[in-house]
Amino acid sequence: AQTVTQSQPEMSVQEAETVTLSCTYDTSESDYYLFWYKQPPSRQMILVIRQEAYKQQNATENRFSVNFQKAAKSFSLKISDSQLGDAAMYFCAYRSSRGAGNNRKLIWGLGTSLAVNP
Amino acid sequence: NAGVTQTPKFQVLKTGQSMTLQCAQDMNHEYMSWYRQDPGMGLRLIHYSVGAGITDQGEVPNGYNVSRSTTEDFPLRLLSAAPSQTSVYFCASRGRMNTEAFFGQGTRLTVV
Repeated sequence: AQTVTQSQPEMSVQEAETVTLSCTYDTSESDYYLFWYKQPPSRQMILVIRQEAYKQQNATENRFSVNFQKAAKSFSLKISDSQLGDAAMYFCAYRSSRGAGNNRKLIWGLGTSLAVNP
Repeated sequence: NAGVTQTPKFQVLKTGQSMTLQCAQDMNHEYMSWYRQDPGMGLRLIHYSVGAGITDQGEVPNGYNVSRSTTEDFPLRLLSAAPSQTSVYFCASRGRMNTEAFFGQGTRLTVV
């Protein structure tokens, strides 16, 4: 069974600085998707960035980028020029891309709470 | 285009009461799911559906029922609420050709 591990329950960063959140996963599959979701105090789950496993190029969305190391099964999120609005819980998630049933669900890490200090 | 709409946002129930959490999406997505979020346990899948008339159990289905009579709606029913069902509930949907899931705003349910 696939698992997702976020080893940093809490992180903090100074405004305008860069922070990296870690995520590792375990799977025997070769085709899958990885996601980072942000959950602010409003509780809404917001997609930050996604990565298809078959793509070697790391995904980037404005100030957010990932370091995807498929062999090491690592998927870290880098937030550049941190802003106060980035303070939230961040979840790493995995979804298989094939297989009846397995590709229907997301498998989640436990989250990293990010504080941004002014 | 409202996306995924969940109601209510907050609910307090007494033990033994029943209720339905509503979820509707207007994106014509085939896949819909219900998750619960508990501190220290992340999000866990309760039930999911791959299309109208088709539902299946997730990791933690006990105490919950679902139905999918239309593509748009996927209600979650608590048959007899228990304090262990105190949680935040999320509905999510995804189109067959989409990579990511879209989430509702969540329902905070407290069972006393």
